[in-house]
Parts: sequence; structure tokens; C-alpha cells
Amino acid sequence: GQNIDQPTEMTATEGAIVQINCTYQTSGFNGLFWYQQHAGEAPTFLSYNVLDGLEEKGRFSSFLSRSKGYSYLLLKELQMKDSASYLCAVRDGNYQLIWGAGTKLIIKP
Amino acid sequence: DTAVSQTPKYLVTQMGNDKSIKCEQNLGHDTMYWYKQDSKKFLKIMFSYNNKELIINETVPNRFSPKSPDKAHLNLHINSLELGDSAVYFCASSKGTSEINTEAFFGQGTRLTVV
Repeated sequence: GQNIDQPTEMTATEGAIVQINCTYQTSGFNGLFWYQQHAGEAPTFLSYNVLDGLEEKGRFSSFLSRSKGYSYLLLKELQMKDSASYLCAVRDGNYQLIWGAGTKLIIKP
Repeated sequence: DTAVSQTPKYLVTQMGNDKSIKCEQNLGHDTMYWYKQDSKKFLKIMFSYNNKELIINETVPNRFSPKSPDKAHLNLHINSLELGDSAVYFCASSKGTSEINTEAFFGQGTRLTVV
């Protein structure tokens, strides 16, 4: 079967750096997405990786290793507004998005 | 200005009732989706339509019936609602299923509570 694994919850301090990991097993691979979802709101797109390596976008960076079935989202200079769930999703060989359950990130002052 | 809009945002109804959720996108996308997010926060695809044609129909009860009158609309009708249908339902759209780098844009969600 296909599955996406990520930690259920993480806690970090304002101003610090946090890394959220995602491992996946899918039938085929056509890219990996990270989305942010604030409580009670819709998921919003953060990043996309299809080749190995690091993609940097402001305070957020996303890394992919296809051979290891592994990705991480790196958040720098954490702000209170970064408290949210972070969803990892993989587009499989049939171009379907397979979603992880999300990692709830709690930021403390 | 809302890219993907769905109504209603909240829906509380009794078991056995029939209800509909509407979705519209003004992004000119070819593909629209319905997702269900349950209490465990998993996003599960229910249906996917490309240019008004059904292309994904996951294992959902046939009480759920999507209808796409045109490319910009994908409505979800649910018959004989059950307690287990309580969840948040998200509509989404994207440029196309075969285009790799195509992010999905989500509606605000409809929180359905069946009592």
C-alpha cells in the first residue's frame, strides 16, 4: 500500500529553527508537496520538490531524497503565526495526491 | 475574488437527511476534487473531475454523488446522511492531473455534523 509518515506533533520556540520530516512509500513518484493548514482553515501550498536537493523560499526550505523516500520542511526564525499543521503530500505514478496526516507545530514564546 | 469557494461553511443536520455542498472555482482550472478530512486529520480524496468527466472515484459509499455541471463547478450531494459522515469536506482545484508541478487550491471547507 501507499503511505506517508510524519510526526504527529512538534514543539519549538519562537525565533528558533525546526525540521519536520516526511517519509513516503508510493507507487511511482511525480513530486512532493508541503502544505500549511491553520486550525479551521484550508491547506495552503508551501513548496514543491521533484528533484533531489534543497529548495529555499524565504524562511521555509524543503529537501527531497527520492532514493530514501524522504523529505523535510525546514522553518527558520519561527514566528507565532507559524503555529499550524504541516501536511506532506506525494503525487504518485497515477498523478494522485497521497496525503500524510500532518504534523501539528506548536510555537512557544 | 475567492479562488475556490464552497458553501455552506457549516452544516448541521439529522441522520437520514439529504444535503448538498456546492463548490465553484474561478481559476480556469481543468481539474476539481472533493476531499474528506476526518477527526484524525487525514485528507482523503473522494472524487476527481477533469473537464467535467469523473476520473477518480475512490471507495466511497454510493450515497455520495458528485455533479459537475461545468468545468468551474463541482457539487457534492449526500443521501441518507449517517453519523460517520461527520467531517470537514474540502473542495479543491488544480490545472490538470497530468501536469506534475500543479498545486491544489482549496476551498475554505464545509464542516458537516450529523446528529
